[in-house]
Amino acid sequence: AQRVTQPEKLLSVFKGAPVELKCNYSYSGSPELFWYVQYSRQRLQLLLRHISRESIKGFTADLNKGETSFHLKKPFAQEEDSAMYYCALSGGNDMRFGAGTRLTVKP
Amino acid sequence: EADIYQTPRYLVIGTGKKITLECSQTMGHDKMYWYQQDPGMELHLIHYSYGVNSTEKGDLSSESTVSRIRTEHFPLTLESARPSHTSQYLCASSEASGRWYEQYFGPGTRLTVT
Repeated sequence: AQRVTQPEKLLSVFKGAPVELKCNYSYSGSPELFWYVQYSRQRLQLLLRHISRESIKGFTADLNKGETSFHLKKPFAQEEDSAMYYCALSGGNDMRFGAGTRLTVKP
Repeated sequence: EADIYQTPRYLVIGTGKKITLECSQTMGHDKMYWYQQDPGMELHLIHYSYGVNSTEKGDLSSESTVSRIRTEHFPLTLESARPSHTSQYLCASSEASGRWYEQYFGPGTRLTVT
C-alpha cells in the first residue's frame, strides 16, 4: 500500500532561517514524488516534482530511496513562503497526499 | 483562459437533500479527480476518470457518484446528504495518465450538511 507521512503539522521559523519540511513515503514500486503548496486564499498548486530535479522559489527536494524520504528544503526562508505544504506520491492509478505541514515564517 | 472551475464555492444544505457539485475544466485534460479533505487532514481521492464514460472509485469509500459525459465536465452527486458529508471537495485534472504529470486544482467547494 502506498502512504505518505508528514510528521509535522505545524512548523514555524524566522525569516532568513533554513527550513526543512519532512516527508516519508511507503511504496513498493518506483515512486514519483511531488510537493504541492497552498498559499492563503489560493488554490493548491504544484511546487516541484522530483523527476524534474528543479529548484522552485529557492526550494529543493531530494529523493532518498534508502530512507524513503523526500524532504523539502530552503536555505533562507522568506515571509511569503508561509503556506500549507503537501507531499504527494503518484503510484498506480492515483495520487496519495500527506496530511500537510503549515509553515509560518515569522519576521 | 484555461482553467478549472467549481460551483458552488460554499453550500449549506439540510440532511436528506440531493446535491450536485459541479466541476468543469477548459484545459482539454483527459483525466479528472475528486478529492475530499477535512480540516488539517490529507486529501483523499474519492473518484477519478480517464475520459468520457470512464469513472473509477478512489481509495476513500464515498456515497457520492460521478459521471463523465463530456470531457470538460465531471459533476459529483450526493443523493441524500448527511452531516458526515460535511467537508471540502476539491476537483482536479491532469493532461495525461502518466504518473509524473501535475494535477491542476479547482478552488474547492466547502459543503456543510446540517
